[in-house]
Amino acid sequence: GAGVSQSPRYKVAKRGQDVALRCDPISGHVSLFWYQQALGQGPEFLTYFQNEAQLDKSGLPSDRFFAERPEGSVSTLKIQRTQQEDSAVYLCASSLGPGSDLYEQYFGPGTRLTVT
Amino acid sequence: AQSVTQPDIHITVSEGASLELRCNYSYGATPYLFWYVQSPGQGLQLLLKYFSGDTLVQGIKGFEAEFKRSQSSFNLRKPSVHWSDAAEYFCASGLGANNLFFGTGTRLTVIP
Repeated sequence: GAGVSQSPRYKVAKRGQDVALRCDPISGHVSLFWYQQALGQGPEFLTYFQNEAQLDKSGLPSDRFFAERPEGSVSTLKIQRTQQEDSAVYLCASSLGPGSDLYEQYFGPGTRLTVT
Repeated sequence: AQSVTQPDIHITVSEGASLELRCNYSYGATPYLFWYVQSPGQGLQLLLKYFSGDTLVQGIKGFEAEFKRSQSSFNLRKPSVHWSDAAEYFCASGLGANNLFFGTGTRLTVIP
């Protein structure tokens, strides 16, 4: 079946521009996660949704970062007034949900954001 | 706080040789433990996971990992490396259905 998809795969933004990154999770997956992966680093947690509820946004680095999942499926990560330090790969992952004994996160290919 | 340490930034092995990638976790309780592989331009692929029970877990592509509580370690092993195993490997820990904490990764180079 289809995996997690993300779009765009690459995004170049001028400093100060707003960007929106999209994530299509696996159909039926309840949980959705966003991670930020800087060059040469491991992914770092940004935020977590269970259905449409954003249960944890403790990893968002500033109030310029905003995520939503209004209908409990597709999610959008928005970054306002982008800064150079926002340059990274943004990964989306989904999982069946907290009640699953097979708890496993499936990752998308990521969106590489470059801020110039 | 939860953390994962991968002490080796880069490892080079010859094709056919054995491999061990180190991972140490720091947390009071035993978290769920994972190994992921990331090839250039690809998403993270799960190799194996440990929740509880048997401390030696088998994964895909011939990989295995052993959980050692006394050493807070979850090292990844493969008896014979193939050139296609060259990639970045990440160890991660998690608690239930919450977010994962990743190590900084180990880049594996395989030489003929």
